[in-house]
Amino acid sequence: GDSVTQMEGPVTLSEEAFLTINCTYTATGYPSLFWYVQYPGEGLQLLLKATKADDKGSNKGFEATYRKETTSFHLEKGSVQVSDSAVYFCVPSPEGYQKVTFGTGTKLQVIP
Amino acid sequence: DTAVSQTPKYLVTQMGNDKSIKCEQNLGHDTMYWYKQDSKKFLKIMFSYNNKELIINETVPNRFSPKSPDKAHLNLHINSLELGDSAVYFCASSQVRGAGELFFGEGSRLTVL
Repeated sequence: GDSVTQMEGPVTLSEEAFLTINCTYTATGYPSLFWYVQYPGEGLQLLLKATKADDKGSNKGFEATYRKETTSFHLEKGSVQVSDSAVYFCVPSPEGYQKVTFGTGTKLQVIP
Repeated sequence: DTAVSQTPKYLVTQMGNDKSIKCEQNLGHDTMYWYKQDSKKFLKIMFSYNNKELIINETVPNRFSPKSPDKAHLNLHINSLELGDSAVYFCASSQVRGAGELFFGEGSRLTVL
């Protein structure tokens, strides 16, 4: 099945710092790629997605570009806020019927 | 209206008891899931149903039994609870079978004493 490698957390940044969370995946075929975010005490919610190579997903100041040649989908934000503190999951969503693989995610802590 | 709702949100119980968690989605999705998240935030799929049919059954003890009375509901029953069952259980649904965007409930935190 598909799998993903994310940088281990926790990642601790000061407010307004630049954020990169690395994500590389292995997959058969051409999956859609998702970033989910889990704020403390809540369920996961979709942050952004990209469905084909070179697509850029963006939302709430976050961006990620689907790089087929490097099988990567790194998450970036130019200036993080304390409210961005959460756990971020990079998820390849396979073609057709297969299970969606999550993992441990990357915990981000933003300090004032 | 909450898209995916789970009850109860918190559940504290003794070892050996039997408990159930209920999930309902009002999104009209055909596929529903149960995930387990441990204390390290590792999220692992347990079961998936598509239109009331079981399509994913991971290596989960037989003590866990999902039931889908209709495609909008997926319940999880756990027999003979053990300490290691303590976790947060998330229900989710998707429009596309096995793939696509997942919509999660807020989770049910189970604590086994």
